[in-house]
Amino acid sequence: DSGVTQTPKHLITATGQRVTLRCSPRSGDLSVYWYQQSLDQGLQFLIQYYNGEERAKGNILERFSAQQFPDLHSELNLSSLELGDSALYFCASSGGTVTYNEQFFGPGTRLTVL
Amino acid sequence: GNSVTQMEGPVTLSEEAFLTINCTYTATGYPSLFWYVQYPGEGLQLLLKATKADDKGSNKGFEATYRKETTSFHLEKGSVQVSDSAVYFCALLSGYSTLTFGKGTMLLVSP
Repeated sequence: DSGVTQTPKHLITATGQRVTLRCSPRSGDLSVYWYQQSLDQGLQFLIQYYNGEERAKGNILERFSAQQFPDLHSELNLSSLELGDSALYFCASSGGTVTYNEQFFGPGTRLTVL
Repeated sequence: GNSVTQMEGPVTLSEEAFLTINCTYTATGYPSLFWYVQYPGEGLQLLLKATKADDKGSNKGFEATYRKETTSFHLEKGSVQVSDSAVYFCALLSGYSTLTFGKGTMLLVSP
């Protein structure tokens, strides 16, 4: 158990809908990262927050947004969903901004768009 | 930009066989290198890491050496077990703590 929790575990929805994925980092970790894992694209970094502020952005679509709240939990919002958004979404957390700091991954949310 | 290339799988081995999974990278500066493992239905777990050239990371019988001259970080294990069956990801960390992953290599170990 990494200490990172993600809810829900599974999510099934329809095209055009909007969903929210939630992540609670390990106790004391200030950074939260979101990743998307799909069969064709592999594991891709989406976005990083550090203590409530956006720190780095990767291959995140404009239809996707995220935020980190004062209690450090984070939410990833996916809107106008398309079939191609079906994937595993992972959250990870780490203790700071040191470049080699270890990231601890949650179990993921499997999103299926029908 | 940064990139990681690892051998395509699946890699199929018998128990107690020797394992090598190749990983090469392209990066600016001096990245840290990692191997993560993903067991079926689970998230990623850090297996081992190396933060500078010639460092050797090791854990659970797995090891990998950071080779700057060949930009490689190959994963090895002397004797695999059925319980090692999983997907293995090579990754590098550079800049603002963003991990760049390879596509993953599935390992299947049969008794």
